[in-house]
Amino acid sequence: DTGVSQDPRHKITKRGQNVTFRCDPISEHNRLYWYRQTLGQGPEFLTYFQNEAQLEKSRLLSDRFSAERPKGSFSTLEIQRTEQGDSAMYLCASSLAAGQGVGYGYTFGSGTRLTVV
Amino acid sequence: GESVGLHLPTLSVQEGDNSIINCAYSNSASDYFIWYKQESGKGPQFIIDIRSNMDKRQGQRVTVLLNKTVKHLSLQIAATQPGDSAVYFCAERVTGGGNKLTFGTGTQLKVEL
Repeated sequence: DTGVSQDPRHKITKRGQNVTFRCDPISEHNRLYWYRQTLGQGPEFLTYFQNEAQLEKSRLLSDRFSAERPKGSFSTLEIQRTEQGDSAMYLCASSLAAGQGVGYGYTFGSGTRLTVV
Repeated sequence: GESVGLHLPTLSVQEGDNSIINCAYSNSASDYFIWYKQESGKGPQFIIDIRSNMDKRQGQRVTVLLNKTVKHLSLQIAATQPGDSAVYFCAERVTGGGNKLTFGTGTQLKVEL
């Protein structure tokens, strides 16, 4: 296991289309996070899972966004009816849950760059 | 709302010099801070972290200082190398906030030969 994997690396889509991204976390990590990053800005939290349970969603996550982690391993992030404002880098990170004795640090994937035209 | 911010958007240093990147945070409930390095086209890479009950932590060529009195965080890079050129972000975690992080806008570090 070499880290957090995200697929695809790049996605260009037409406005109004649906897109789905996948994240494979580090295998022993039970927490998985999605962030969005626009150019020149720091990542913004979208949502996170502990195992298969989605524990928190940001107000940034509109009704057009949905995330799943059905078996507590990989996760998908779907955006329906994409808009130009959705263009961003979508980052996934994973960690052990706080309190499990190995620190709170995250490991980020390389992200999926979405461009809506 | 609560935010994390950086004082300098761009920092240029000569190779071999020490670099200091600063960060101000506003949430006194933050208990954990992380510095990340992000190179173009890549995700943030963990550099060093510090808990709120500490004021200094050292790693290999990097030191993080935390001043809770003025809510200030800094990253010191010793003997800066060309490979250190990147955008650096500080991030904070709020106690009880579910382990999500709030990031600042980043500082671009440019190392000149």
